[in-house]
Amino acid sequence: DTGVSQDPRHKITKRGQNVTFRCDPISEHNRLYWYRQTLGQGPEFLTYFQNEAQLEKSRLLSDRFSAERPKGSFSTLEIQRTEQGDSAMYLCASSFSTGGEKLFFGSGTQLSVL
Amino acid sequence: QQQVKQSPQSLIVQKGGISIINCAYENTAFDYFPWYQQFPGKGPALLIAIRPDVSEKKEGRFTISFNKSAKQFSLHIMDSQPGDSATYFCAANYGQNFVFGPGTRLSVLP
Repeated sequence: DTGVSQDPRHKITKRGQNVTFRCDPISEHNRLYWYRQTLGQGPEFLTYFQNEAQLEKSRLLSDRFSAERPKGSFSTLEIQRTEQGDSAMYLCASSFSTGGEKLFFGSGTQLSVL
Repeated sequence: QQQVKQSPQSLIVQKGGISIINCAYENTAFDYFPWYQQFPGKGPALLIAIRPDVSEKKEGRFTISFNKSAKQFSLHIMDSQPGDSATYFCAANYGQNFVFGPGTRLSVLP
């Protein structure tokens, strides 16, 4: 399967714990995005990478959130000191830099903070 | 101005009927308008998209109608099938800025 891969698919954690999610984009894509989706809502933009450079971050991305994309390949999203309000589906998407409007999403990581 | 409004919130259609979902935007800088389809437990998948220089785009049973002056666009699903039952999101984009609507849950009854 050459689509966007996310791991884990589900994560249950206790409030205050740190969690890390991984995204492997489509190999030819140099743009990578993180979105958050809550029940009954559309995806909300969190951050965006062009290769290894993090070019944009949403105001939704508090200081507890950090994302990396070392070597411009896979990306990780870490949430420190999780809160119940962080419970959501975290979606990764990738695209080409040319014609980059076509986003290809992974299946997401469903986070539940107890 | 960054918001994309979408209606209805949910839609029930009989098999073979036409499903219509509407979206509206404010920011005239948006220049690409995709529709995404999402099944439970899956990420959104691009269904069809349009640019504002055309008023309509058709791909199979799916058609986007675009009204630039009204800043509105809609998705029409002809001959709706039970397999079309999913959540549909409209979106608007310029540059790397993608804004999604809140979604419409479509149920097609057999």
